[in-house]
Amino acid sequence: DAGVIQSPRHEVTEMGQEVTLRCKPISGHDYLFWYRQTMMRGLELLIYFNNNVPIDDSGMPEDRFSAKMPNASFSTLKIQPSEPRDSAVYFCASKEREKGNIQYFGAGTRLSVL
Amino acid sequence: SQKIEQNSEALNIQEGKTATLTCNYTNYSPAYLQWYRQDPGRGPVFLLLIRENEKEKRKERLKVTFDTTLKQSLFHITASQPADSATYLCALDRSNTGKLIFGQGTTLQVKP
Repeated sequence: DAGVIQSPRHEVTEMGQEVTLRCKPISGHDYLFWYRQTMMRGLELLIYFNNNVPIDDSGMPEDRFSAKMPNASFSTLKIQPSEPRDSAVYFCASKEREKGNIQYFGAGTRLSVL
Repeated sequence: SQKIEQNSEALNIQEGKTATLTCNYTNYSPAYLQWYRQDPGRGPVFLLLIRENEKEKRKERLKVTFDTTLKQSLFHITASQPADSATYLCALDRSNTGKLIFGQGTTLQVKP
């Protein structure tokens, strides 16, 4: 398996623009997680899905953030409108419940909002 | 709310020595605790998991201990190598939901 695949790897945008980050989890995994990592706050969980259904979105910072999982092999995290303070590395991770609680992370998307 | 503390200062050691990293947590005891390794520009990679009823876990040169009384986990790398240089993250799941809370990480530098 290719692992968790995220795109794009880097995104530079201007304040006010819409940003969409994409994630393809490992095939067969039934959980998907979106994290944000900054120097100040470390790695924070934003939202997670189980079987494509959002379970906990308490980490989503504001209404400007939204996440969807239309099917088992694809998820998006959207920021609209983007702000400079959204600049961070966004990670997607997936896991398979039957095989324990190990999460497999993608390489991340480095977002810069100017 | 649950809080995890890892030594924010980088740990510098000589090749061949044992590196020991600390993870302290407050409030509730987690169902299990995990350690991940993160290299620059990459996502975290799972290393070891230890459950609340386990005292110690080993994997090759790695060892994790879990003291629920002290609310602390120690992560050891024996016979350290320069290739072990990375940031190590501690993460816990309070109620076995799969929802992980991560520490800030400790950067380890192993010098040849």
